[in-house]
Amino acid sequence: AQKVTQAQTEISVVEKEDVTLDCVYETRDTTYYLFWYKQPPSGELVFLIRRNSFDEQNEISGRYSWNFQKSTSSFNFTITASQVVDSAVYFCALSEFSGGSNYKLTFGKGTLLTVNP
Amino acid sequence: DTAVSQTPKYLVTQMGNDKSIKCEQNLGHDTMYWYKQDSKKFLKIMFSYNNKELIINETVPNRFSPKSPDKAHLNLHINSLELGDSAVYFCASSPRDRGLAGAKNIQYFGAGTRLSVL
Repeated sequence: AQKVTQAQTEISVVEKEDVTLDCVYETRDTTYYLFWYKQPPSGELVFLIRRNSFDEQNEISGRYSWNFQKSTSSFNFTITASQVVDSAVYFCALSEFSGGSNYKLTFGKGTLLTVNP
Repeated sequence: DTAVSQTPKYLVTQMGNDKSIKCEQNLGHDTMYWYKQDSKKFLKIMFSYNNKELIINETVPNRFSPKSPDKAHLNLHINSLELGDSAVYFCASSPRDRGLAGAKNIQYFGAGTRLSVL
């Protein structure tokens, strides 16, 4: 069975600090996908990134970067120079590749990030 | 303009009532989903439909019945509501399979419906 662990329940930082959100996953599949979603206080779920299991290149998008390491089954998310608007719950999720068009996302329990001014 | 829209945003009702939540997507996606987020923010899939066909049913009580009149709509009907049904319910959709690097399986979520059962 798939499992996603986000060990950090809550993180609090001061604006402009860098912060890394950890995500560790378990799966028996050789082909799978990893995701990060953001849930701001307004409640919607916003897609941030998807990675497939064959693409271990790190990715940077503005102040956001993601580090995918299959050897440690981790897909960590770093926010550089954090801002108050980054305050949200961040979810890591895993989806197996089973063909067709249906993919069940298994979510971690989320990390509440609070960025203080 | 909203890609995945759910109505209502808030739903307050008494135990034992029957209620429905509607979901519509204008993204042209083939697959739609319902997720439940509990009070601890834990998100879990309930159902998945592909072109009006039920694909995933994750041991949800049969008081919950999804209905897909067409591939752009997936409604959730709940009978005999219980206190434990109080949660935020999210609808999502994803596009057709386009191979390993395609856009498939990126799920786009609605804003959620907060259901409170009193």
